Amino acid sequence: GQSLEQPSEVTAVEGAIVQINCTYQTSGFYGLSWYQQHDGGAPTFLSYNALDGLEETGRFSSFLSRSDSYGYLLLQELQMKDSASYFCAVRNDYKLSFGAGTTVTVRA
Amino acid sequence: DAGVIQSPRHEVTEMGQEVTLRCKPISGHNSLFWYRQTMMRGLELLIYFNNNVPIDDSGMPEDRFSAKMPNASFSTLKIQPSEPRDSAVYFCASSFHSLTGLAGSGKNIQYFGAGTRLSVL
Repeated sequence: GQSLEQPSEVTAVEGAIVQINCTYQTSGFYGLSWYQQHDGGAPTFLSYNALDGLEETGRFSSFLSRSDSYGYLLLQELQMKDSASYFCAVRNDYKLSFGAGTTVTVRA
Repeated sequence: DAGVIQSPRHEVTEMGQEVTLRCKPISGHNSLFWYRQTMMRGLELLIYFNNNVPIDDSGMPEDRFSAKMPNASFSTLKIQPSEPRDSAVYFCASSFHSLTGLAGSGKNIQYFGAGTRLSVL
Protein backbone atom coordinates (compact mmCIF):
# COMPACT_ATOMS: atom_id res chain seq x y z
CA GLY A 1 0.00 0.00 0.00
CA GLN A 2 0.88 3.64 0.01
CA SER A 3 1.16 6.21 2.79
CA LEU A 4 2.07 9.85 2.42
CA GLU A 5 2.68 12.52 5.03
CA GLN A 6 2.52 16.25 4.51
CA PRO A 7 1.79 19.12 6.90
CA SER A 8 -1.87 19.98 7.28
CA GLU A 9 -1.54 23.77 7.23
CA VAL A 10 0.93 26.50 6.37
CA THR A 11 0.41 30.26 6.68
CA ALA A 12 2.67 32.88 5.13
CA VAL A 13 2.59 36.48 3.94
CA GLU A 14 2.59 37.72 0.38
CA GLY A 15 6.02 37.61 -1.20
CA ALA A 16 7.29 34.93 1.15
CA ILE A 17 8.59 31.45 0.30
CA VAL A 18 6.83 28.31 1.47
CA GLN A 19 8.14 24.75 1.37
CA ILE A 20 5.70 21.84 1.65
CA ASN A 21 7.39 18.58 2.52
CA CYS A 22 6.10 15.16 1.57
CA THR A 23 7.39 11.83 2.80
CA TYR A 24 6.05 8.60 1.44
CA GLN A 25 6.09 4.86 1.83
CA THR A 26 5.08 2.83 -1.15
CA SER A 27 5.29 -0.64 -2.59
CA GLY A 28 5.93 0.72 -6.07
CA PHE A 29 7.17 4.10 -7.20
CA TYR A 30 7.33 5.78 -10.59
CA GLY A 31 7.36 9.39 -9.45
CA LEU A 32 5.93 12.12 -7.24
CA SER A 33 3.28 14.54 -8.48
CA TRP A 34 1.93 17.75 -7.00
CA TYR A 35 -1.59 19.06 -7.49
CA GLN A 36 -3.22 22.32 -6.44
CA GLN A 37 -6.85 22.62 -5.43
CA HIS A 38 -8.62 25.89 -4.72
CA ASP A 39 -11.56 25.81 -2.38
CA GLY A 40 -14.55 24.42 -4.26
CA GLY A 41 -12.43 23.66 -7.31
CA ALA A 42 -10.84 20.66 -8.97
CA PRO A 43 -7.29 19.42 -8.43
CA THR A 44 -4.95 20.71 -11.13
CA PHE A 45 -1.52 19.40 -12.00
CA LEU A 46 1.49 21.44 -10.91
CA SER A 47 4.61 19.33 -11.18
CA TYR A 48 6.06 15.84 -11.50
CA ASN A 49 9.41 14.37 -10.50
CA ALA A 50 10.49 10.94 -11.67
CA LEU A 51 14.19 11.42 -10.99
CA ASP A 52 16.13 12.94 -8.13
CA GLY A 53 16.57 16.67 -8.29
CA LEU A 54 14.75 19.92 -8.75
CA GLU A 55 12.12 20.76 -11.36
CA GLU A 56 11.31 24.43 -11.78
CA THR A 57 8.11 25.81 -13.28
CA GLY A 58 7.90 29.55 -12.84
CA ARG A 59 7.41 30.45 -9.20
CA PHE A 60 6.92 26.82 -8.23
CA SER A 61 9.64 24.20 -7.91
CA SER A 62 9.49 20.57 -6.88
CA PHE A 63 12.24 18.36 -5.52
CA LEU A 64 12.60 14.61 -5.15
CA SER A 65 15.01 12.34 -3.33
CA ARG A 66 14.11 8.73 -4.12
CA SER A 67 16.63 7.34 -1.65
CA ASP A 68 15.01 9.33 1.17
CA SER A 69 11.43 8.77 -0.04
CA TYR A 70 11.04 12.52 0.27
CA GLY A 71 10.01 15.42 -1.84
CA TYR A 72 8.93 19.00 -1.48
CA LEU A 73 7.07 21.72 -3.30
CA LEU A 74 8.53 25.21 -3.09
CA LEU A 75 6.26 28.18 -3.62
CA GLN A 76 8.15 31.42 -4.18
CA GLU A 77 6.98 35.04 -4.29
CA LEU A 78 3.70 34.01 -2.74
CA GLN A 79 0.58 35.68 -4.06
CA MET A 80 -2.91 35.78 -2.62
CA LYS A 81 -4.10 33.52 -5.43
CA ASP A 82 -1.75 30.80 -4.16
CA SER A 83 -4.06 30.25 -1.19
CA ALA A 84 -5.19 26.68 -1.84
CA SER A 85 -4.64 23.08 -0.86
CA TYR A 86 -1.59 21.31 -2.24
CA PHE A 87 -1.44 17.55 -2.58
CA CYS A 88 1.53 15.33 -3.14
CA ALA A 89 0.72 12.10 -4.92
CA VAL A 90 2.76 8.99 -5.45
CA ARG A 91 2.54 7.59 -8.94
CA ASN A 92 2.59 3.81 -9.26
CA ASP A 93 2.06 2.98 -12.94
CA TYR A 94 -1.37 4.47 -13.80
CA LYS A 95 -2.37 5.06 -10.22
CA LEU A 96 -1.99 8.21 -8.14
CA SER A 97 -2.24 7.90 -4.36
CA PHE A 98 -2.81 11.31 -2.82
CA GLY A 99 -1.67 12.71 0.48
CA ALA A 100 -4.14 14.43 2.79
CA GLY A 101 -3.17 17.85 1.46
CA THR A 102 -1.60 20.99 2.88
CA THR A 103 -3.74 24.09 3.15
CA VAL A 104 -1.69 27.17 2.35
CA THR A 105 -3.07 30.49 3.51
CA VAL A 106 -1.45 33.63 2.16
CA ARG A 107 -1.95 36.81 4.16
CA ALA A 108 -1.49 40.37 3.00
CA ASP B 1 -10.82 21.24 -25.62
CA ALA B 2 -13.44 21.93 -22.96
CA GLY B 3 -11.69 19.71 -20.47
CA VAL B 4 -13.33 16.94 -18.48
CA ILE B 5 -17.05 17.60 -18.17
CA GLN B 6 -19.08 16.30 -15.26
CA SER B 7 -22.78 16.50 -14.57
CA PRO B 8 -24.60 17.34 -12.50
CA ARG B 9 -22.51 19.83 -10.53
CA HIS B 10 -24.69 19.40 -7.48
CA GLU B 11 -27.04 16.61 -6.51
CA VAL B 12 -29.26 16.46 -3.47
CA THR B 13 -31.18 13.27 -2.93
CA GLU B 14 -32.83 11.24 -0.25
CA MET B 15 -31.47 8.09 1.28
CA GLY B 16 -32.42 5.05 -0.76
CA GLN B 17 -32.63 6.85 -4.07
CA GLU B 18 -30.52 6.00 -7.08
CA VAL B 19 -27.88 8.53 -8.10
CA THR B 20 -26.11 8.65 -11.46
CA LEU B 21 -23.07 10.82 -12.05
CA ARG B 22 -21.82 11.47 -15.54
CA CYS B 23 -18.45 12.22 -17.07
CA LYS B 24 -17.12 13.13 -20.49
CA PRO B 25 -13.33 12.77 -20.65
CA ILE B 26 -10.97 14.83 -22.77
CA SER B 27 -11.00 13.68 -26.38
CA GLY B 28 -8.02 11.44 -27.14
CA HIS B 29 -7.49 10.37 -23.56
CA ASN B 30 -7.70 6.63 -23.00
CA SER B 31 -7.73 6.53 -19.21
CA LEU B 32 -10.58 7.56 -16.94
CA PHE B 33 -10.65 7.71 -13.17
CA TRP B 34 -13.44 8.22 -10.65
CA TYR B 35 -12.44 9.70 -7.29
CA ARG B 36 -14.30 10.55 -4.14
CA GLN B 37 -13.20 13.39 -1.86
CA THR B 38 -14.23 13.86 1.75
CA MET B 39 -12.70 15.70 4.67
CA MET B 40 -12.21 12.48 6.58
CA ARG B 41 -10.76 10.26 3.86
CA GLY B 42 -9.28 12.76 1.42
CA LEU B 43 -9.10 11.96 -2.28
CA GLU B 44 -9.72 8.28 -2.93
CA LEU B 45 -9.56 6.43 -6.23
CA LEU B 46 -12.75 4.46 -6.80
CA ILE B 47 -12.21 2.93 -10.24
CA TYR B 48 -9.90 3.18 -13.23
CA PHE B 49 -10.77 2.47 -16.88
CA ASN B 50 -8.26 2.05 -19.69
CA ASN B 51 -9.62 1.99 -23.24
CA ASN B 52 -13.14 1.70 -21.79
CA VAL B 53 -12.26 -1.44 -19.81
CA PRO B 54 -12.32 -1.40 -15.99
CA ILE B 55 -8.78 -2.19 -14.88
CA ASP B 56 -8.91 -1.50 -11.17
CA ASP B 57 -12.12 -1.28 -9.14
CA SER B 58 -10.53 -2.09 -5.80
CA GLY B 59 -11.53 1.31 -4.46
CA MET B 60 -15.26 0.86 -5.06
CA PRO B 61 -16.66 0.85 -1.53
CA GLU B 62 -19.36 -1.78 -1.95
CA ASP B 63 -21.87 -3.33 -4.29
CA ARG B 64 -24.06 -0.27 -4.12
CA PHE B 65 -21.50 1.46 -6.36
CA SER B 66 -21.13 0.62 -10.03
CA ALA B 67 -19.39 2.31 -12.94
CA LYS B 68 -19.61 1.90 -16.68
CA MET B 69 -17.78 3.26 -19.69
CA PRO B 70 -19.78 2.31 -22.77
CA ASN B 71 -17.56 4.31 -25.11
CA ALA B 72 -14.48 6.52 -25.12
CA SER B 73 -16.42 9.69 -24.50
CA PHE B 74 -18.76 8.79 -21.67
CA SER B 75 -18.74 7.20 -18.24
CA THR B 76 -21.23 6.90 -15.40
CA LEU B 77 -20.91 6.23 -11.70
CA LYS B 78 -24.09 4.93 -10.11
CA ILE B 79 -24.99 4.57 -6.46
CA GLN B 80 -28.02 2.46 -5.68
CA PRO B 81 -29.34 2.77 -3.04
CA SER B 82 -27.66 5.92 -1.81
CA GLU B 83 -26.87 6.48 1.88
CA PRO B 84 -25.97 9.64 3.84
CA ARG B 85 -22.36 8.43 4.18
CA ASP B 86 -22.03 8.64 0.40
CA SER B 87 -22.18 12.43 0.65
CA ALA B 88 -18.95 13.71 -0.89
CA VAL B 89 -17.51 15.42 -3.93
CA TYR B 90 -17.04 12.96 -6.78
CA PHE B 91 -14.41 13.78 -9.37
CA CYS B 92 -13.81 12.28 -12.76
CA ALA B 93 -10.33 12.60 -14.28
CA SER B 94 -8.83 11.57 -17.58
CA SER B 95 -5.32 11.08 -18.94
CA PHE B 96 -3.42 9.29 -21.66
CA HIS B 97 -1.67 6.16 -20.46
CA SER B 98 -0.30 3.18 -22.27
CA LEU B 99 -0.54 -0.16 -20.48
CA THR B 100 2.23 -1.47 -22.68
CA GLY B 101 4.42 1.61 -22.76
CA LEU B 102 7.78 2.14 -21.14
CA ALA B 103 7.28 1.77 -17.43
CA GLY B 104 7.13 5.15 -15.79
CA SER B 105 7.28 7.02 -19.06
CA GLY B 106 5.57 10.37 -19.16
CA LYS B 107 4.06 12.43 -16.41
CA ASN B 108 0.67 10.71 -16.56
CA ILE B 109 -1.00 14.03 -15.86
CA GLN B 110 -4.57 13.55 -14.76
CA TYR B 111 -7.05 16.26 -15.72
CA PHE B 112 -9.93 16.59 -13.32
CA GLY B 113 -13.48 17.66 -13.98
CA ALA B 114 -15.17 20.24 -11.78
CA GLY B 115 -16.74 17.52 -9.67
CA THR B 116 -20.23 16.61 -8.50
CA ARG B 117 -21.12 17.59 -4.96
CA LEU B 118 -23.48 14.90 -3.70
CA SER B 119 -25.62 15.31 -0.62
CA VAL B 120 -27.67 12.35 0.55
CA LEU B 121 -30.24 13.33 3.15
